[in-house]
Amino acid sequence: QKEVEQNSGPLSVPEGAIASLNCTYSDRGSQSFFWYRQYSGKSPELIMFIYSNGDKEDGRFTAQLNKASQYVSLLIRDSQPSDSATYLCAVGPPKLQFGAGTQVVVTP
Amino acid sequence: GAGVSQTPSNKVTEKGKYVELRCDPISGHTALYWYRQSLGQGPEFLIYFQGTGAADDSGLPNDRFFAVRPEGSVSTLKIQRTERGDSAVYLCASSLSPGASGGYTFGSGTRLTVV
Repeated sequence: QKEVEQNSGPLSVPEGAIASLNCTYSDRGSQSFFWYRQYSGKSPELIMFIYSNGDKEDGRFTAQLNKASQYVSLLIRDSQPSDSATYLCAVGPPKLQFGAGTQVVVTP
Repeated sequence: GAGVSQTPSNKVTEKGKYVELRCDPISGHTALYWYRQSLGQGPEFLIYFQGTGAADDSGLPNDRFFAVRPEGSVSTLKIQRTERGDSAVYLCASSLSPGASGGYTFGSGTRLTVV
């Protein structure tokens, strides 16, 4: 079993809708949880991090963490074509373990 | 520097050759990480440095891979006797400290192709 699991997708989302991404992790000692966005041919770019149970909102993005269920999610509201990318869940510290990523395709 | 700099951006080498990949982290970042990413996969951890020392090298696949950071800034990933399976994008990241809030900043990567 991989340490960080994500659905590979692709997740097709109509423009303006909410994209919901899920991630589970196996190490109960994990303290830090990150979401990175990666465009094709580019390096990962940090978009959100969360450390405490509950929700954390930043603009159109909301990260949700449930440590008891070992579950992290990312919501993207009002999805735009520019949100089309692969979203990587990462868990740590100190080193980050990444999932394989979920490809999101926002259709106009 | 303003960001994490990796050189070269692309490297093509013949099977069996030796290669060095360089990473120049953000100024003041004490933690430096190397990852490898294959097509369709997430970044795979290789090694991380805290200062000059390798704090965790558990991700290095075998003894052909080695990394150094002699002055606590620039790091070099060294691969001996390259194999076609080593072809991937090698990513470097840095942070103020291990586990620093705000996550890790990645460089643009080195695409290694072994022919």
